[in-house]
Amino acid sequence: DGGITQSPKYLFRKEGQNVTLSCEQNLNHDAMYWYRQDPGQGLRLIYYSQIVNDFQKGDIAEGYSVSREKKESFPLTVTSAQKNPTAFYLCASSIVFDRPDGETQYFGPGTRLLVL
Amino acid sequence: SQQGEEDPQALSIQEGENATMNCSYKTSINNLQWYRQNSGRGLVHLILIRSNEREKHSGRLRVTLDTSKKSSSLLITASRAADTASYFCATVPASSYKLIFGSGTRLLVRP
Repeated sequence: DGGITQSPKYLFRKEGQNVTLSCEQNLNHDAMYWYRQDPGQGLRLIYYSQIVNDFQKGDIAEGYSVSREKKESFPLTVTSAQKNPTAFYLCASSIVFDRPDGETQYFGPGTRLLVL
Repeated sequence: SQQGEEDPQALSIQEGENATMNCSYKTSINNLQWYRQNSGRGLVHLILIRSNEREKHSGRLRVTLDTSKKSSSLLITASRAADTASYFCATVPASSYKLIFGSGTRLLVRP
């Protein structure tokens, strides 16, 4: 059963704490992405990775970090430097990043992060 | 920054009616995509239209693209209660491969 999984579904963060959101895909996709969605809003790109051992900042990378040590995994760490982390976090993947005629992204079910 | 803006922000229709959502964008694009999101869930890709295409169909979905007006529309025909969701347009600017999402249209289809 192919797809993208995210865990946990809900995550609670205490003040000053770093938390890590998991994203795994078995689609054999090269590219992976992390987005943040605030209530009633669209998605904003946090980080993306075109290939293993490579990643780039998106539009709102401050307070977040990622790693891409394996093709199938792209974990996101929300650090204590992110002052307003409460949001819905979505992971996505695509076959490649830079296909000129367009690339579909496949999304995981999301993780809702709440601050205690 | 947001590239696409959907209109209306919210739409309520009766089952069986057609639903039309519009998307406007600011810069030249490679392609435009429409996604659907059920409440509290991930996004599902619906359709991709390239900059040299004017219309595409997929089942009950019809998408048009007018690059001269920098706008697109998504038509859902014969709507069903199960179509209730938020619909997002996402553009891929000509200078980039990254998707830029609008803020979405919330569609409610009343049984």
